[in-house]
Amino acid sequence: QVQLVQSGAEVKKPGASVKVSCKASGYTFTGYYMHWVRQAPGQGLEWMGWINPNSGGTNYAQKFQGWVTMTRDTSISTAYMELSRLRSDDTAVYYCARDLVFGGTGTNSGFDPWGQGTLVTVSS
Amino acid sequence: EIVLTQSPGTLSLSPGERATLSCRASQSVSSSYLAWYQQKPGQAPRLLIYGASSRATGIPDRFSGSGSGTDFTLTISRLEPEDFAVYYCQQYGSSPPFTFGQGTKLEIK
Repeated sequence: QVQLVQSGAEVKKPGASVKVSCKASGYTFTGYYMHWVRQAPGQGLEWMGWINPNSGGTNYAQKFQGWVTMTRDTSISTAYMELSRLRSDDTAVYYCARDLVFGGTGTNSGFDPWGQGTLVTVSS
Repeated sequence: EIVLTQSPGTLSLSPGERATLSCRASQSVSSSYLAWYQQKPGQAPRLLIYGASSRATGIPDRFSGSGSGTDFTLTISRLEPEDFAVYYCQQYGSSPPFTFGQGTKLEIK
């Protein structure tokens, strides 16, 4: 079955970077965009950006431009999200989620499935 | 940026009742670009509806989506105990590409 498995929880100090991985299985990794979404404790969902695993092309939410980097390794069907210059308000659960649409995003799009989430705690 | 406002913030109902959740957009949204998710405590969100009215794979037919323009609705025809959760709407636009509503908590009365 289609599955996304994320790396484990991280504790980082302010100013550090974190890199979260998302390993895909059960489908053609390069066929579907991968999105990253975060959720601060007790808060709603915030879309961070997507990566096209086929081309490596990315589209980041303006808020995260210059601050987030999304990459992939097609040989191991894994996507990565790296967030730099961490602050305490970056404490959140970070999710990867596959787009519903083959080869693109937008029309009739949705995020399915989702990874289990990775808790990133930023604390001095 | 298109802002999605969900109402009510909290909805208290009993199993067997009908639930109607609203999602209003600050600008017109194409129906093809509207999705709904369910999230239970400690779990990742689950896609329920895409394209405003199409059920995702494995979603029971008691869940239905409707609407167009700026007003969209998620209806749960007869609530089951497992339906009590937080629900989010999401839209795909131009900048930023994806935004979520703030969520509606559906709780047991």
